[in-house]
Amino acid sequence: DQQVKQNSPSLSVQEGRISILNCDYTNSMFDYFLWYKKYPAEGPTFLISISSIKDKNEDGRFTVFLNKSAKHLSLHIVPSQPGDSAVYFCAASSGAGSYQLTFGKGTKLSVIP
Amino acid sequence: DTAVSQTPKYLVTQMGNDKSIKCEQNLGHDTMYWYKQDSKKFLKIMFSYNNKELIINETVPNRFSPKSPDKAHLNLHINSLELGDSAVYFCASSQAGAQYFGPGTRLTVL
Repeated sequence: DQQVKQNSPSLSVQEGRISILNCDYTNSMFDYFLWYKKYPAEGPTFLISISSIKDKNEDGRFTVFLNKSAKHLSLHIVPSQPGDSAVYFCAASSGAGSYQLTFGKGTKLSVIP
Repeated sequence: DTAVSQTPKYLVTQMGNDKSIKCEQNLGHDTMYWYKQDSKKFLKIMFSYNNKELIINETVPNRFSPKSPDKAHLNLHINSLELGDSAVYFCASSQAGAQYFGPGTRLTVL
């Protein structure tokens, strides 16, 4: 039973355009969400997070949007750069202080020069 | 400076052997974790220690035993390795909120 779903296994985007990665969750207790980026043969790197009291959080080129009623979040990368090519994981927990993260399966983003 | 480090990065061994993976973090975090990424690429938590005490122990065979000598270290010992143990194992640490991951250890059981 996947509580965090990333339904697109892969996404290709032209350099300079916007990348939109999507994530859906089913557990209503989740109220803290994170995005991680992973290069091959490396560990996941924390990118950005959002608490359920917000609907948007921005950090440079990265913005995360949260739609609680739809149980959906998305990561926007603008403008996309070739170095953004990686696997992006969505993760969720019940509270920022929770020790338990539930991960999605990941979306492989390819940014084409 | 590496924040979360793991050794070894690659581990190839025969079925039935016992092996250990070491993890160290220099972030001053109180909580450390072990995750397994299987062939389907899901990252699943196995264990979590907070200040050397076990706080999460998911459904993991008894052959897996974590050991935390101090809050900067969390080692994973695996007894009687099986083919299905082949995976990438990630260590992580956190203080509150985001978890920070090590580079992973790719374990291959032949």
